[in-house]
Amino acid sequence: DQQVKQNSPSLSVQEGRISILNCDYTNSMFDYFLWYKKYPAEGPTFLISISSIKDKNEDGRFTVFLNKSAKHLSLHIVPSQPGDSAVYFCAALLRGNQFYFGTGTSLTVIP
Amino acid sequence: SQTIHQWPATLVQPVGSPLSLECTVEGTSNPNLYWYRQAAGRGLQLLFYSVGIGQISSEVPQNLSASRPQDRQFILSSKKLLLSDSGFYLCAWSAAVNQPQHFGDGTRLSIL
Repeated sequence: DQQVKQNSPSLSVQEGRISILNCDYTNSMFDYFLWYKKYPAEGPTFLISISSIKDKNEDGRFTVFLNKSAKHLSLHIVPSQPGDSAVYFCAALLRGNQFYFGTGTSLTVIP
Repeated sequence: SQTIHQWPATLVQPVGSPLSLECTVEGTSNPNLYWYRQAAGRGLQLLFYSVGIGQISSEVPQNLSASRPQDRQFILSSKKLLLSDSGFYLCAWSAAVNQPQHFGDGTRLSIL
């Protein structure tokens, strides 16, 4: 049972435009969320996180939005760069128990 | 700074053969350690985690096992590999359970 879902397996965006990656979850007990970025043949790299007490967290070009009522998480990348091309995973923490990962969205930024 | 090493990077094994994947962490003490598997088209599935030496929690029943013989060493093993064990195996560490996890570069395991 996939508790964290990324329904778009792939996304293509023009360089300089905004990339929006989405993530939905089913368990309202999740209280901490993260985004990871993964290049081929490498492990995921932590990108940005957000606690359930917030609805927005920003770090440079990356902003994560949390809509608890909709159980929806999104990552915005502005402006998108070719080096952002990678697979992005969202993950949710269940009350200090374990992280549940989504299936990933492959982002391609077209120069 | 902390680093995590995982090897080998790729491995091809016949069905029924044993497995040993090793992961070590440097630059930190008493880390939480994790083994994940990513099957094709799937997310990261937590297999095992450990909060201390000799302490292993299994999340998914299977023919794999894990051991933590030293504080910063985590080993994934199997006595007899199945075809379904193919996948990308990732080791990770975190300072605490509610902290971001830091991943190794993974092992691509192919079972023939």
